[in-house]
Amino acid sequence: GESVGLHLPTLSVQEGDNSIINCAYSNSASDYFIWYKQESGKGPQFIIDIRSNMDKRQGQRVTVLLNKTVKHLSLQIAATQPGDSAVYFCAETSGGSNYKLTFGKGTLLTVNP
Amino acid sequence: GAGVSQSPSNKVTEKGKDVELRCDPISGHTALYWYRQSLGQGLEFLIYFQGNSAPDKSGLPSDRFSAERTGGSVSTLTIQRTQQEDSAVYLCASSPQLISSYEQYFGPGTRLTVT
Repeated sequence: GESVGLHLPTLSVQEGDNSIINCAYSNSASDYFIWYKQESGKGPQFIIDIRSNMDKRQGQRVTVLLNKTVKHLSLQIAATQPGDSAVYFCAETSGGSNYKLTFGKGTLLTVNP
Repeated sequence: GAGVSQSPSNKVTEKGKDVELRCDPISGHTALYWYRQSLGQGLEFLIYFQGNSAPDKSGLPSDRFSAERTGGSVSTLTIQRTQQEDSAVYLCASSPQLISSYEQYFGPGTRLTVT
């Protein structure tokens, strides 16, 4: 079956730097993508989403970029803070009436003070 | 408002015992999902309840695992004859199934330890 995966399992950055977390997907029918943040001992929390008809979407300190040509998704975090330390998951669905998400393996982001 | 709640938060059981994990979704959410997360791993899909449709059980790893959702609300995940490899965090999520969003709202999880 098709899957969603990540290029880097761990990422360590200095406080104040920008972070980029990458995700590759293989399902060409993927229409909707979500990034989740999971802090230690907690359930995943929604960060930002993007539909396939968009290339970029911005939130507060976060930007998601979608490159459908190479089936690649990235999450950029500006001015990374210690509170951003967590595991980040991308997830996708083909949309429509399919509300089942396929999750990637996750990237552990560590922010050094 | 209240989010997704799960109970118990932690469960320690002996190998071979049965366990029941409970999930209370957000009120009004029509879809409910169960996932398993082993230490340092991603989310493994287990089962998906969508309104009145038959559940998608394609992720259940064996016939020792079962789940039900009563009255379209509370769900219980049952693991029979637990094995040590069942040790993991079990996460529940719910979603309103809106056209505009496919976001799933997660509970805090139940940490299951089989000794």
